[in-house]
Amino acid sequence: QSALTQPASVSGSPGQSITISCTGTSSDVGGYNYVSWYQQHPGKVPKLMIFEVSNRPSGVPDRFSGSKSGNTASLTISGLQAEDEADYYCSSYRSSNTLVFGGGTKLTVL
Amino acid sequence: QVQLVQSGAEVKKPGASVKLSCKASGYTFTSYYMHWVRQAPGQGLEWMGIINPNGGITNYGQTVQGRVTMTRDTSTSTVYMELSSLRSEDTAVYYCARAYGGYGNPLDYWGQGTLVTVSS
Repeated sequence: QSALTQPASVSGSPGQSITISCTGTSSDVGGYNYVSWYQQHPGKVPKLMIFEVSNRPSGVPDRFSGSKSGNTASLTISGLQAEDEADYYCSSYRSSNTLVFGGGTKLTVL
Repeated sequence: QVQLVQSGAEVKKPGASVKLSCKASGYTFTSYYMHWVRQAPGQGLEWMGIINPNGGITNYGQTVQGRVTMTRDTSTSTVYMELSSLRSEDTAVYYCARAYGGYGNPLDYWGQGTLVTVSS
C-alpha cells in the first residue's frame, strides 16, 4: 500500500506562490476526483484545506487552490504568509474503497 | 457544534491489544463514515481504515489488516478501534475523522488524537 509521492520540503518568501505536487497512479489520483489536501501545524490536528481536487471548505482563504493533471495533483498557495508554514498532506481515494495519503511536505516560509 | 472526542493516552506492552474510542456529537452519527488515521512520531499520516456507522461495514488498510477491528455503538454515537499484537512500530497518535456519506469524501472533522505508546 504505497503512499502518494510528495516533495519532502518546499519553501518560499512571504507574498510569493508555491506549489506542492502529489503523484499517484491511475488507481488513485488519476482515476478519481477525490483528492484532498490537509494542513497540519506542529502538535496540531490536520485541517482540511481542499477537497475534490479544487474545492475549498468554508473559511479556507482563496489563496489556497488545487488542481490535477493526469496522475499528479497540486496544491498552490499564493500570497504566502507566515502562518502558512506547516506540513501539508494530500490524500486520494484508491480503488477498493480505501484511502491513501501522501508522505507529507514541509512548507517553510523564509 | 461537531465534536469528536477521543479516549485518553495508552501505554501498552508488545503483544498486547488496545481499544480506542471516538465519541461523536453535533451531527447525525449514521450519516458520516468514520476513518481512523495514525501518525508515528515525526512521520506522516497513515490511513488505517473506515467504518460506516450505518450498518457497521468496515474496510481496512493493508498494513494493519488482520490486526485491526473497527466497531460502532449507535446508541452512544461512538466508534471503536481495536489494534492487536502491538509492536513498537504501532507507537503513534491515532485520530478518528469523519467523512460525509462515502469512501472518497474528505475528512472534515478530526478528533483530538490519542497517543498510544508501545514499550516493554
